[in-house]
Amino acid sequence: SQQGEEDPQALSIQEGENATMNCSYKTSINNLQWYRQNSGRGLVHLILIRSNEREKHSGRLRVTLDTSKKSSSLLITASRAADTASYFCATATYKLSFGAGTTVTVRA
Amino acid sequence: SQTIHQWPATLVQPVGSPLSLECTVEGTSNPNLYWYRQAAGRGLQLLFYSIGIDQISSEVPQNLSASRPQDRQFILSSKKLLLSDSGFYLCAWSRMAGDYEQYFGPGTRLTVT
Repeated sequence: SQQGEEDPQALSIQEGENATMNCSYKTSINNLQWYRQNSGRGLVHLILIRSNEREKHSGRLRVTLDTSKKSSSLLITASRAADTASYFCATATYKLSFGAGTTVTVRA
Repeated sequence: SQTIHQWPATLVQPVGSPLSLECTVEGTSNPNLYWYRQAAGRGLQLLFYSIGIDQISSEVPQNLSASRPQDRQFILSSKKLLLSDSGFYLCAWSRMAGDYEQYFGPGTRLTVT
């Protein structure tokens, strides 16, 4: 079963704009991870945020975690055409449970 | 550095035929290995995971089986494919079991006709 659920399902933005997507989950987790998938390819790990962390940065990525609301957000700043992909959150317990993803299209 | 390979990249098989998908990892020892299936427009469904040779856990009862004949080799099989087995199959590995980050292979696109 899918633990995490991303919102929105799809997002279209202009190059240079920021993209924000959210992930909600239902049970307690050890950490939450974000992955990117380019069309027809495998997933690439982007960032991991532990349950005792509230915010984490990696380059143009910013992830927040609110365990009281059981939600996380991924912000991509100054988006580029190469950021066009599907983004998945994965909640970690004894395994990873993936959501259905947010498809991001960055228009040039 | 570690790399993960999957083959074949694409496969078209008739209903009722057998299946064998292979995944190998290079550059690490004792990896934890995973098989996922991704339906179109959906997230990943964990099918099997393995923490060692001959130590395989099934997450979803179905028409598939997995084997790990060597430390860094993970095979997904079926004796008779169903139409519902179509999908994108992804192999992944992690250094430790459970909540560690996973590294994915390029995937196999399976179409059952």
